[in-house]
Amino acid sequence: AQSVTQLGSHVSVSEGALVLLRCNYSSSVPPYLFWYVQYPNQGLQLLLKYTSAATLVKGINGFEAEFKKSETSFHLTKPSAHMSDAAEYFCAVSEYNDMRFGAGTRLTVKP
Amino acid sequence: KAGVTQTPRYLIKTRGQQVTLSCSPISGHRSVSWYQQTPGQGLQFLFEYFSETQRNKGNFPGRFSGRQFSNSRSEMNVSTLELGDSALYLCASSLRASGGATGELFFGEGSRLTVL
Repeated sequence: AQSVTQLGSHVSVSEGALVLLRCNYSSSVPPYLFWYVQYPNQGLQLLLKYTSAATLVKGINGFEAEFKKSETSFHLTKPSAHMSDAAEYFCAVSEYNDMRFGAGTRLTVKP
Repeated sequence: KAGVTQTPRYLIKTRGQQVTLSCSPISGHRSVSWYQQTPGQGLQFLFEYFSETQRNKGNFPGRFSGRQFSNSRSEMNVSTLELGDSALYLCASSLRASGGATGELFFGEGSRLTVL
């Protein structure tokens, strides 16, 4: 069965610094990969998704992720963190229409 | 287009009681999935309903049950509540099962259950 591992349950960056949230996946077939974001007291919303087209995927709010098959990774990045990026981020993998989420990474942005 | 609506948003119960949570999906969406979110266990899949049929089920005891109505609205029920059932219960809807190939699940804001 497919699974995802998010490295680091908490990540703290300064405002303006690079954001890097790590995700590695396991899948027996070419996967569909996703990043979701959860702001405090809200549900999850889709940030971006990889569905076997371009390996570099651009999402909302300046985030992007690169699919690297050789490394089985789908890390999320943003060049410059903003205070409003503080949230919990979930990586997810879908195989045969069965979605599995990672444990989440809480991003803190320091002024 | 209205989003996914979950009711109630907050509720407090005592051990041994039962609770029913409701989820109204986005109009036209036929799939509803339920997740339990806790600080210790993260986001755990409970079950998914598609066109009134349970399509998939996670590893939860039989005290957790659900159903879906013909209008795609879904309810989940937890009987004989335990302290460990305190959590945020999230509902997600999609056009196709598990979001289909696009994987897009639309989440509600959740129902926060506290068991005392």
